Amino acid sequence: AQSVTQLGSHVSVSEGALVLLRCNYSSSVPPYLFWYVQYPNQGLQLLLKYTTGATLVKGINGFEAEFKKSETSFHLTKPSAHMSDAAEYFCAVSDRAGNTGKLIFGQGTTLQVKP
Amino acid sequence: NAGVTQTPKFQVLKTGQSMTLQCAQDMNHNSMYWYRQDPGMGLRLIYYSASEGTTDKGEVPNGYNVSRLNKREFSLRLESAAPSQTSVYFCASRLSSGAHTDTQYFGPGTRLTVL
Repeated sequence: AQSVTQLGSHVSVSEGALVLLRCNYSSSVPPYLFWYVQYPNQGLQLLLKYTTGATLVKGINGFEAEFKKSETSFHLTKPSAHMSDAAEYFCAVSDRAGNTGKLIFGQGTTLQVKP
Repeated sequence: NAGVTQTPKFQVLKTGQSMTLQCAQDMNHNSMYWYRQDPGMGLRLIYYSASEGTTDKGEVPNGYNVSRLNKREFSLRLESAAPSQTSVYFCASRLSSGAHTDTQYFGPGTRLTVL
């Protein structure tokens, strides 16, 4: 069975500082991995996804994530935090049994950006 | 192009009451999903419909029923609401072209409180 663990339910950074949100996965097959962002009182929006090929994936709003098979990780980074980045972030893995497209989500990490 | 829409946005029920959450998508997607979001637990799949005419249980289906009314619409019904069903409910859709990498697109959510 596949699973996702996000380390740290809350992360606080200063504006301009590096953002690092951690995600580890468990999968018996090569995973397809996703990061979604949820702004207050809104639905989820895709930030980026890893399928195959290049392990460094670039997404919207300056975010990127690197797939590391040896570490079973898919951490999300942004070099310089902006106030508008304050949101909840979810890492997810696609359930590859059949073609259901089901996503298995981590618990979420709330990013606080301090001025 | 509205994407995924959900009604209502907010709802308060008393224990034992029933209600239906509506979801519609205008992207000609084949698959649709219902998730619930609870603090510290991420999103958990309630039911999904891989294609028109089919529905399947997800991780937490107890107390819910669904109907895939047509390709556009996927409703979630609570027959006898319980306080444990207090949550934020998200509907999502996916093209399902045959690739596990298809993105899921989320609606804005329905915030349900059961007293």
